[in-house]
Amino acid sequence: SYELTQPPSVSVSPGQTVSITCSGDEVGNKYVSWHQQKPGQSPVLVIYQDTKRPSGIPERFSGSNSGNIATLTISGTQAIDEADYYCQTWDSSTVIFGGGTRVAVL
Amino acid sequence: QVQLQESGPGLVKPSQTLSLTCTVSGGSINSGSYYWSWIRQPAGGGLEWIGRFYLSGSTNYNPSLKSRVTISVDTSKNQLSLKLSSVTAADTAVYYCARVIAAAAWGDYFDYWGQGTLVTVSS
Repeated sequence: SYELTQPPSVSVSPGQTVSITCSGDEVGNKYVSWHQQKPGQSPVLVIYQDTKRPSGIPERFSGSNSGNIATLTISGTQAIDEADYYCQTWDSSTVIFGGGTRVAVL
Repeated sequence: QVQLQESGPGLVKPSQTLSLTCTVSGGSINSGSYYWSWIRQPAGGGLEWIGRFYLSGSTNYNPSLKSRVTISVDTSKNQLSLKLSSVTAADTAVYYCARVIAAAAWGDYFDYWGQGTLVTVSS
């Protein structure tokens, strides 16, 4: 079965840039979404179709996807960006989630 | 503004069937542009997709749950439902319903999530 692998955690200083990777076999041939989840809240879509931002999502969130790695980048990270981030794609008519990455803003 | 609200028993006994409902407001549950999914999340764990009720009325399920899951839609009530049979403690989780925008080339994406409902499996 298809798998997406994310680092369990990353840390970033306020104002800096952080990138979260999501690796999968030829994931660049699939569309990837990214979901942000803060403690006690439902997930929120921040990137879809690799690079698109839903209405209301700040421009500091961007995405890319090529080869075996999809990446979510947060530029000028703010304290409010501290959350878990999940990548997600489709394979054989089923949804695949990555294990999630906790972003700590220190 | 579309809103999704999950509801159902918060406690289910082992071996019984878990039944949840997701009520959709602010839009029709019946559309050619979007469809519906269930996702769950154990405490401290990641997201696990359960399945979907697709545009054509067809369903797809997580292979690991397929033998125990049924997802259906009641258009008269604007509700999505989930039934998970023969539950064990491993099925204890927060259960979410979500709307999925249908797009070409498997570019479908989740745009609205419910607030989630905690279901505990315990005797």
